[in-house]
Amino acid sequence: TQLLEQSPQFLSIQEGENLTVYCNSSSVFSSLQWYRQEPGEGPVLLVTVVTGGEVKKLKRLTFQFGDARKDSSLHITAAQPGDTGLYLCAGATTSGTYKYIFGTGTRLKVLA
Amino acid sequence: DAGVIQSPRHEVTEMGQEVTLRCKPISGHDYLFWYRQTMMRGLELLIYFNNNVPIDDSGMPEDRFSAKMPNASFSTLKIQPSEPRDSAVYFCASSSTGSLDEKLFFGSGTQLSVL
Repeated sequence: TQLLEQSPQFLSIQEGENLTVYCNSSSVFSSLQWYRQEPGEGPVLLVTVVTGGEVKKLKRLTFQFGDARKDSSLHITAAQPGDTGLYLCAGATTSGTYKYIFGTGTRLKVLA
Repeated sequence: DAGVIQSPRHEVTEMGQEVTLRCKPISGHDYLFWYRQTMMRGLELLIYFNNNVPIDDSGMPEDRFSAKMPNASFSTLKIQPSEPRDSAVYFCASSSTGSLDEKLFFGSGTQLSVL
């Protein structure tokens, strides 16, 4: 069974602080995605990374895919209350069938 | 486009009753996924379809769960009989090509409570 573990599980920070959340697995993934989910809604895609070592930036968010394609990180600079939500990583595997496996999630709260 | 549409948004039922959750994917999307989300287990893939055909149902918990996709614009997830441990938020998602960098579009989910 392929598992994606995210850390930390919960994070509460003040507005303006920086933070990093991690997504780790013992399995190799063909690609990895990050989603943000707000209460009462489904996850919304933030980014997809497909190449080992790849770094993508989306405004104040920086995403990195590990060289071995087993892990990823999401760094937020100068967090804002609007960044509050559940952050999920999802790894794609093609071992037999195409599907995305989701991580356990990091619940972020940014205080004003 | 209206996005992925799920109904009902909330469902409260008693143990032993049949529950049917509904999903309308985005028009033109060939892949449809059913996920279940709980605090303990996170977001779990139950089953997915390609062109209305079930491809992988290894995530379906047990025989009480069944899913169908009679046409490209409609899918159902049925639980019979329902049990309290089935209480969760059930999400439907769709995507167009199935490529590895493809974006999954999620519905707003159905909050199921089995008493």
